[in-house]
Amino acid sequence: ELKVEQNPLFLSMQEGKNYTIYCNYSTTSDRLYWYRQDPGKSLESLFVLLSNGAVKQEGRLMASLDTKARLSTLHITAAVHDLSATYFCAVRGNAGGTSYGKLTFGQGTILTVHP
Amino acid sequence: DAGVTQSPTHLIKTRGQHVTLRCSPISGHKSVSWYQQVLGQGPQFIFQYYEKEERGRGNFPDRFSARQFPNYSSELNVNALLLGDSALYLCASSFRDRGLTEAFFGQGTRLTVV
Repeated sequence: ELKVEQNPLFLSMQEGKNYTIYCNYSTTSDRLYWYRQDPGKSLESLFVLLSNGAVKQEGRLMASLDTKARLSTLHITAAVHDLSATYFCAVRGNAGGTSYGKLTFGQGTILTVHP
Repeated sequence: DAGVTQSPTHLIKTRGQHVTLRCSPISGHKSVSWYQQVLGQGPQFIFQYYEKEERGRGNFPDRFSARQFPNYSSELNVNALLLGDSALYLCASSFRDRGLTEAFFGQGTRLTVV
């Protein structure tokens, strides 16, 4: 069974600082997603990572994927208050499996950025 | 184009009742998945439908059922509601069930069972 673990689960940052959220998964997968969720809201897609070594950047967020290590990172550069939210990584089941369309989510990382 | 739409947005039900949640996917998308998100946790997969057929089922009891209609909209039904069914129910839409495709989520239905 595919398991996805994020760390840290809680992250309190000062504005202007850098930090990284880690996402480990237990079995081979061909796709990793990062989502943002604001309190009481739905999931906003941030990144889709498709291959080993993939790196994507949007504003102050950069995501990378190492399929050999089964690890993805979400790096935050010079944090601002607007980035405060819960961040989830999700992994799709491997091709050929019965749960190919299923996304398995991590527990989420609650990010709070302080002035 | 409209995104994924879900109805209702909020719902309060009593234990033992039945509930139906609805989802309309993005135009052109043929796959709909349902997820349950309990407060403080990540979403858990319930069902996936593609072209009106069930393509995947998560670890949920038989009280949970779903279907997809010819226009690709979908319903999630939950019978004999329990307090533990209180959660945000999310619908995700994608173009197909396999291949290079991204999942887009609706705003969710907040179900409270009292």
